[in-house]
Amino acid sequence: DAKTTQPNSMESNEEEPVHLPCNHSTISGTDYIHWYRQLPSQGPEYVIHGLTSNVNNRMASLAIAEDRKSSTLILHRATLRDAAVYYCILNSPNAGGTSYGKLTFGQGTILTVHP
Amino acid sequence: GAVVSQHPSWVICKSGTSVKIECRSLDFQATTMFWYRQFPKQSLMLMATSNEGSKATYEQGVEKDKFLINHASLTLSTLTVTSAHPEDSSFYICSASRSGITDTQYFGPGTRLTVL
Repeated sequence: DAKTTQPNSMESNEEEPVHLPCNHSTISGTDYIHWYRQLPSQGPEYVIHGLTSNVNNRMASLAIAEDRKSSTLILHRATLRDAAVYYCILNSPNAGGTSYGKLTFGQGTILTVHP
Repeated sequence: GAVVSQHPSWVICKSGTSVKIECRSLDFQATTMFWYRQFPKQSLMLMATSNEGSKATYEQGVEKDKFLINHASLTLSTLTVTSAHPEDSSFYICSASRSGITDTQYFGPGTRLTVL
């Protein structure tokens, strides 16, 4: 399976932007980049996903490198409610893709937001 | 939209008993449902994938006779932990997707199982 690498932890101050990096150097051409986050004692929550182009939604933005070997999740103004573990995961809709159909959760990045 | 519920949210049982956990998609029909397990301070581990009306596909190392999965309808999947033992104590989380295994997954809130 194509794997992702994320920093173990990051810190931010409230109302400041946060850039969460993810490396996926072995990504295949059909792998989508998904981001989920998990608050303590809760199930994960979908954040955003993309393939090649940058993506924006109400929660965050996803910036994907031109070679697709890395991506960055951007929280434009962090709030205390954004403190969570953020997971960057590859998933492929193509049966020949390296990550077909499954979400393989790594250790993720623990984001701490300071008031 | 895309709300998934689980019941119960927590359960305590005696060793040797069986426990059933329900996972429901409340506002959409789920073609595929997934069951994960998460031990303290660890990440989620996929246990099995189920499609409505067919047998579940279990991940390597997961005992299918111990963790019974029934996906009886497009809105309900159940996980039964049979003859539970203390080592089965964990956080069990389900997820559901509309269009199959490669669609976005929407997760339930999880069920905390404690086996005494």
